[in-house]
Amino acid sequence: AQSVTQPDIHITVSEGASLELRCNYSYGATPYLFWYVQSPGQGLQLLLKYFSGDTLVQGIKGFEAEFKRSQSSFNLRKPSVHWSDAAEYFCAVGVIAGGTSYGKLTFGQGTILTVHP
Amino acid sequence: DSGVTQTPKHLITATGQRVTLRCSPRSGDLSVYWYQQSLDQGLQFLIQYYNGEERAKGNILERFSAQQFPDLHSELNLSSLELGDSALYFCASSARQGEGTQYFGPGTRLLVL
Repeated sequence: AQSVTQPDIHITVSEGASLELRCNYSYGATPYLFWYVQSPGQGLQLLLKYFSGDTLVQGIKGFEAEFKRSQSSFNLRKPSVHWSDAAEYFCAVGVIAGGTSYGKLTFGQGTILTVHP
Repeated sequence: DSGVTQTPKHLITATGQRVTLRCSPRSGDLSVYWYQQSLDQGLQFLIQYYNGEERAKGNILERFSAQQFPDLHSELNLSSLELGDSALYFCASSARQGEGTQYFGPGTRLLVL
């Protein structure tokens, strides 16, 4: 079964600093990978996704992520964090099984980002 | 705004009761997914429907059931509620089963007292 690990439960950065949120997945084949963001009391907003092709993917709000198959990682990065980026970030893996698309997403436990002014 | 709507936003009920959560997918999306988010379990997949048919089941309790109607909206029914069922319930939709990106609704926050 697939699994996702986000090693950092809570990260604090200063506004303007760079950010990297870690995500490691476990899955036997090439997964579909996603990053979602959840602001307090809100739903999940898709930041970016990786299906195939270029391993560096660009998302909304200036975020990017790099798929590294050898490390089973899909880390999220942003060069300069804004106070409005404070939220909880979730990495997720989606799979295909038996030739049939199987849409279940498996989520990591989330990383809470605090931004200091 | 993802285009996925969920009602109600909040629900407070008592143990032993039954509630129904409703989800309308994005226009044109055929697949609907239900997830539960709780402090101890995190975000967990419950069940998926595609064009009216159940396609995948996750950690869904027998007390819970769902269906997708011909107009593609979906309902999640939770019965014999327990305190531990208190959680945020999300609906998501995608255009195609599986590889399609899932877009999430705002969620229904359920509190069982």
